[in-house]
Amino acid sequence: AQSVAQPEDQVNVAEGNPLTVKCTYSVSGNPYLFWYVQYPNRGLQFLLKYITGDNLVKGSYGFEAEFNKSQTSFHLKKPSALVSDSALYFCAVRDNNNDMRFGAGTRLTVKP
Amino acid sequence: DADVTQTPRNRITKTGKRIMLECSQTKGHDRMYWYRQDPGLGLRLIYYSFDVKDINKGEISDGYSVSRQAQAKFSLSLESAIPNQTALYFCATSVKGTNQPQHFGDGTRLSIL
Repeated sequence: AQSVAQPEDQVNVAEGNPLTVKCTYSVSGNPYLFWYVQYPNRGLQFLLKYITGDNLVKGSYGFEAEFNKSQTSFHLKKPSALVSDSALYFCAVRDNNNDMRFGAGTRLTVKP
Repeated sequence: DADVTQTPRNRITKTGKRIMLECSQTKGHDRMYWYRQDPGLGLRLIYYSFDVKDINKGEISDGYSVSRQAQAKFSLSLESAIPNQTALYFCATSVKGTNQPQHFGDGTRLSIL
């Protein structure tokens, strides 16, 4: 069965600095990878996905993610963090069986 | 209006009570899902439905049941609530396809005393 690991519970960055939120995965077939963001008292919102093709995927709000097959990673990045990016971020993986598995989440705090 | 609506948004109840959480969607999606979110555990799948006649157990279905009353409605029941079912519950929808993202409601915060 597929699984996802987000090795950092918390990531702190200063506004204007680049940010990275890490994700590694394990699947038996081709991976379908997703990033979601959750703001307080709200459901998860889809940010971006990797299905196939270019390893660098661009998504909403200036976020992008880099797929690395050899390292089985799908790290979320943004060149310049905003205070409003502070939220809980989830990585998710789905294999050909359609079952989506989520990581435990990483809380991103961007300080002014 | 929200595309995926969950009711109630908050509920406090007692051990042993029967609870029903409702989910309705206006997105026209065939697939619907119920998850629970616990701190440090992420989201775990309880049940999912690919259409009105198709119900499937997820990772943690024990203690829960579901009903897909129509394409747009998917309810989750706790027949006899227990304190370790205290959590944040989310409904989600998607179109068919492994490359399709899921769309989430804003959740129901359930506390069982």
